[in-house]
Amino acid sequence: ETGVTQTPRHLVMGMTNKKSLKCEQHLGHNAMYWYKQSAKKPLELMFVYNFKEQTENNSVPSRFSPECPNSSHLFLHLHTLQPEDSALYLCASSQEEGRVLENSPLHFGNGTRLTVT
Amino acid sequence: GQNIDQPTEMTATEGAIVQINCTYQTSGFNGLFWYQQHAGEAPTFLSYNVLDGLEEKGRFSSFLSRSKGYSYLLLKELQMKDSASYLCAVRDRGNKLVFGAGTILRVKS
Repeated sequence: ETGVTQTPRHLVMGMTNKKSLKCEQHLGHNAMYWYKQSAKKPLELMFVYNFKEQTENNSVPSRFSPECPNSSHLFLHLHTLQPEDSALYLCASSQEEGRVLENSPLHFGNGTRLTVT
Repeated sequence: GQNIDQPTEMTATEGAIVQINCTYQTSGFNGLFWYQQHAGEAPTFLSYNVLDGLEEKGRFSSFLSRSKGYSYLLLKELQMKDSASYLCAVRDRGNKLVFGAGTILRVKS
């Protein structure tokens, strides 16, 4: 149990489908993040929310749409994806954006393995 | 640009010692993290260095040299369960974490 829960663990979708990834954290943190992890590539930061406000959009294509209704929940809405979007999508949380401290590092969920066909 | 380099893969024997190196070039430096990630699982925090020197935590130690832009993670008395990917990450001037691609460590008996 990591304190950060992601669902689903695996998702296969066609390029015309619409789906959503869900993340929930039980750590009382105020910042939440979406990362993309592709094989043999560095983790890519996609979006950051701090106290429910989006503070970072790392030039992510509009086919990815994040939503943060409260500090404990984060969604990533997907539509008209491309095969190259297949990857592991990791959610993370921290006490507060910009305060990834030693005693409060980023806490990651187990990720959603996304395959776009 | 920002760049973090780690070896792609390493293999070591159970009971041995292995050192995983990380070099970085980032816009500023506000600390370096090491994470462990088992296949299909979340990355988990291992260590944090912000000052030069060695930080020891049980079988794992992490070293930092800011002047050289260099860190290493040292794993002693290797166990099979240490087989995982090890991610080096640097917090830059803007307090953003920049990750390396990770080093896959295989421990053989």
